[in-house]
Amino acid sequence: NAGVTQTPKFQVLKTGQSMTLQCAQDMNHNSMYWYRQDPGMGLRLIYYSASEGTTDKGEVPNGYNVSRLNKREFSLRLESAAPSQTSVYFCASSPTRNEKLFFGSGTQLSVL
Amino acid sequence: RKEVEQDPGPFNVPEGATVAFNCTYSNSASQSFFWYRQDCRKEPKLLMSVYSSGNEDGRFTAQLNRASQYISLLIRDSKLSDSATYLCVTSEGYQKVTFGIGTKLQVIP
Repeated sequence: NAGVTQTPKFQVLKTGQSMTLQCAQDMNHNSMYWYRQDPGMGLRLIYYSASEGTTDKGEVPNGYNVSRLNKREFSLRLESAAPSQTSVYFCASSPTRNEKLFFGSGTQLSVL
Repeated sequence: RKEVEQDPGPFNVPEGATVAFNCTYSNSASQSFFWYRQDCRKEPKLLMSVYSSGNEDGRFTAQLNRASQYISLLIRDSKLSDSATYLCVTSEGYQKVTFGIGTKLQVIP
């Protein structure tokens, strides 16, 4: 079972560049999430999608956009990367309106 | 003040010891509670849910005190493989899941 798959695992960007983080899950989960993890801050929710066709802002949405392409895939886009977006990004999914989260392996992003 | 407060540690304990982690939360509307485990440079993984009645899974025991808004995790007979960061998590619903910063445990031979 693949579970939640994230790509890429590592990325280095220059300030102002754009990129998309990809996430796919094969567990038939309805809800999907994007988190960022920073030292001393814990995991913070960027965006979530309760079901296919819906997306909502989380705690720290500024500078990000998301697309729920279908039930399996939920992508995170940085339109103009900033050094403050240097972080580890995790995608997660959960069964319908269930707080038990299953995480992908993470993307280490550095913005110079 | 953070919604979920944890001592970041590290807690250094010898193999075989019993260790307890505590966590306090400020959101009285929280309905569900969890402990996740995160190994270095890996993703968090659900360790166990936490119930008011207390629950046990092998060497792990979790307790919830709603009146004091306090959650605990007890690990008995610590193994080297228990070395990780333990994240306390509260939820007011699937769209409001709050993570603590985690408590780092290092089990020493």
